[in-house]
Amino acid sequence: AQRVTQPEKLLSVFKGAPVELKCNYSYSGSPELFWYVQYSRQRLQLLLRHISRESIKGFTADLNKGETSFHLKKPFAQEEDSAMYYCALKGYGADKLIFGTGTRLQVFP
Amino acid sequence: GAGVSQSPSNKVTEKGKDVELRCDPISGHTALYWYRQRLGQGLEFLIYFQGNSAPDKSGLPSDRFSAERTGESVSTLTIQRTQQEDSAVYLCASSQKQGGAETQYFGPGTRLLVL
Repeated sequence: AQRVTQPEKLLSVFKGAPVELKCNYSYSGSPELFWYVQYSRQRLQLLLRHISRESIKGFTADLNKGETSFHLKKPFAQEEDSAMYYCALKGYGADKLIFGTGTRLQVFP
Repeated sequence: GAGVSQSPSNKVTEKGKDVELRCDPISGHTALYWYRQRLGQGLEFLIYFQGNSAPDKSGLPSDRFSAERTGESVSTLTIQRTQQEDSAVYLCASSQKQGGAETQYFGPGTRLLVL
């Protein structure tokens, strides 16, 4: 079965600290992985996708097929990074996204 | 330009009543998705429309749920005989498939509360 697991409901750090939001997936094949973010009172939006291999707002995520993980990292957290983060998977040839339950990131000043 | 819009933003209804939720996708987007997010849960896929193809209804939880889309425009999600477990935020997303890359753009959601 296809599944996305985000083990942490809440992650709290101080400004300037490194951040890693964990995401593990279950999929027998080559999935496409995404991170979506929802800032307070805003709609859900795409942060980054693994195929782009890009850094957005200082965040990066590497797909580790051996560990079936797609953790989101940022070396120095900022207060404006406080938001809800969702990891999502799309199976090969599929259209729908399968989401994890989300991790709330709180960055304290 | 305008993003995906949804209406109403909030809906309170009584158990057993029918509700209709509306989604206006981004103009030109051929694909439209409905998701449901219950409290403390991730988004659950409900249904997907792509152009004039038959919709993928594999995520609809029961036959009380149905959705329609006319062409590449507005979609409505209907829940008949609502139950308390239908309380959730219903999100709509649209996208324009271009080659292998696709970004789903989400609406603000409709928060449904069934009393």
